[in-house]
Amino acid sequence: NAGVTQTPKFQVLKTGQSMTLQCAQDMNHNSMYWYRQDPGMGLRLIYYSASEGTTDKGEVPNGYNVSRLNKREFSLRLESAAPSQTSVYFCASSEGTGLATEAFFGQGTRLTVV
Amino acid sequence: AQKITQTQPGMFVQEKEAVTLDCTYDTSDQSYGLFWYKQPSSGEMIFLIYQGSYDEQNATEGRYSLNFQKARKSANLVISASQLGDSAMYFCAMREGRFAGYNKLIFGAGTRLAVHP
Repeated sequence: NAGVTQTPKFQVLKTGQSMTLQCAQDMNHNSMYWYRQDPGMGLRLIYYSASEGTTDKGEVPNGYNVSRLNKREFSLRLESAAPSQTSVYFCASSEGTGLATEAFFGQGTRLTVV
Repeated sequence: AQKITQTQPGMFVQEKEAVTLDCTYDTSDQSYGLFWYKQPSSGEMIFLIYQGSYDEQNATEGRYSLNFQKARKSANLVISASQLGDSAMYFCAMREGRFAGYNKLIFGAGTRLAVHP
């Protein structure tokens, strides 16, 4: 039972480099999300995709782009990494549109920008 | 303004005792859902319990219960009979009714719980 799979698990980037974080879910969920987790700030929503073909900005979208490649995959791209983007990134997915819909999370990607 | 406030950065409890983790929320929606997630040191996010704004009974899941006080806009997590494996970060989260179609979850800053033997 893979659930939500994120790659890579760890990454170190130099300032100005670009990279793409990959996320795939095998639960046939419509909605997918990218969060970042920083100490003392909880999880903050970067971008989300309510369904295949749609993406919307969350609370902290600046410096990021996303692609909903198909129903399974939702990638997060950093075009020019900055030290402020050092964080743990979580991808999540959920099904349904009800209030009680549970979100399932990947294992996280720990990104350090030096 | 903070939508979800967790005022306890850290808590500790003796094994087998009960502990309450505080969560207050801010919304103008009448319809909303409240969640608690656990994040152990390994990093994954584990769903614990859910409470809907129209639910009349407090939610319970095994040793977890949610003390829901709607008028005070609080949704405290109660863990009974704490175990060493309960040591983790705990997050309160909310989904507002107007965003239900987009499934947006807003999280608090978290409370780190340490269970001592």
